[in-house]
Amino acid sequence: KAGVTQTPRYLIKTRGQQVTLSCSPISGHRSVSWYQQTPGQGLQFLFEYFSETQRNKGNFPGRFSGRQFSNSRSEMNVSTLELGDSALYLCASSQTSGRGETQYFGPGTRLLVL
Amino acid sequence: AQTVTQSQPEMSVQEAETVTLSCTYDTSESDYYLFWYKQPPSRQMILVIRQEAYKQQNATENRFSVNFQKAAKSFSLKISDSQLGDAAMYFCAYVYYGGATNKLIFGTGTLLAVQP
Repeated sequence: KAGVTQTPRYLIKTRGQQVTLSCSPISGHRSVSWYQQTPGQGLQFLFEYFSETQRNKGNFPGRFSGRQFSNSRSEMNVSTLELGDSALYLCASSQTSGRGETQYFGPGTRLLVL
Repeated sequence: AQTVTQSQPEMSVQEAETVTLSCTYDTSESDYYLFWYKQPPSRQMILVIRQEAYKQQNATENRFSVNFQKAAKSFSLKISDSQLGDAAMYFCAYVYYGGATNKLIFGTGTLLAVQP
């Protein structure tokens, strides 16, 4: 099976712009979670989607949003970008939610905000 | 709230030697899973090993094994016969079982260097 894919891999934006990141989970996986990784804050949970429903949301401002489509692909959107949004954004997929299953990660999208 | 602590920011080991990375966690739950993930310079997060809290037997995967002490809330990773390819950042992570969420709580990571 193909692994988790994320597009784009690299992105450069300026403050105030918005950005959309995409994640395609492993075939058959219905749960997609998003994480932000920065040197200062480490790995922080953004949100999780399961069967097109948001299951959980981390402590991030409303500028961060996401959605999941019927084919389980997920997108996250960040509006009004700030310098502090520069980070590696990782998505992870698993078959179900809440059962301690292994989550498989994509290669990440590296976002730089200038 | 659950927390995961990795107290060793950096570790170094000689090739072919054994190294142990430490992880402690705090939770009031009894059912949960613990993971060690490896993140090499490519930044791809790779699962190393997984432990179910209800299992007393420590998980092993080839050269990787854990020492899971539930009462002490400790979950260390032992890497035997270290190889150059083991050099990476290692993250310990916790997820609550049955909470209708896959939210992983990560430690701050341990950067492992392998010396030839």
